[in-house]
Amino acid sequence: QSALTQPASVSGSPGQSITISCTGTSSDVGSYNLVSWYQQHPGKAPKLMIYGVNKRPSGISSRFSGSKSGNTASLTISGLQAEDEADYHCCSFAGSSTWVFGGGTKLTVL
Amino acid sequence: QVQLVESGGGVVQAGRSLRLSCAASGFTFSTYGMHWVRQAPGKGLEWAAVISDDGRNQYYADSMKGRFTISRDNSKNTLYLQMNSLRAEDTAVYYCAKDYSGSGSCPDYWGQGTLVTVSS
Repeated sequence: QSALTQPASVSGSPGQSITISCTGTSSDVGSYNLVSWYQQHPGKAPKLMIYGVNKRPSGISSRFSGSKSGNTASLTISGLQAEDEADYHCCSFAGSSTWVFGGGTKLTVL
Repeated sequence: QVQLVESGGGVVQAGRSLRLSCAASGFTFSTYGMHWVRQAPGKGLEWAAVISDDGRNQYYADSMKGRFTISRDNSKNTLYLQMNSLRAEDTAVYYCAKDYSGSGSCPDYWGQGTLVTVSS
């Protein structure tokens, strides 16, 4: 049950697009289309932004999109806005009724 | 709307026990699995445990097996986490979270968390 690997930080200017990667193994990300992404502002609870690799819950902006290739999932945020500045976490089902999260990525909007 | 409210955190000495609670409302609690996820200060999220909707099945992260016990009382819409033999590395914010669909998806709704500090 090793954590998924995310970059510690990414940054972008308003209006730009950024992509955050989440690398796992063939036992988790690579085996299941069950990757979710969360946004977490300081001191707040995580908020679901993407589930099932590329599905958005009701109310989530279309600026947020997800994808997966092999053992790596990605979250793309287009048209960056100041309020997107937050920590982002990925999560994957890992089989046998267990789940695994990434180490989190701090997004800075310059 | 879905509400999850954790309680029971605090400062505890290493080796002691603590029980966390999570009061759920806004959804039919007895029809969803529930998770505990923790976050050490300045760190990422760490999945801890899950319990099935009827409470019959529990699964744990390797690092918590044998010391933590997840349970639920569907008559009270409440989830619990019994933590024994606490260690300094168990210091974290503990979140309860609602299972999304029972098909392996990661949790959808989360509580605000309760802070557990283990002093050595």
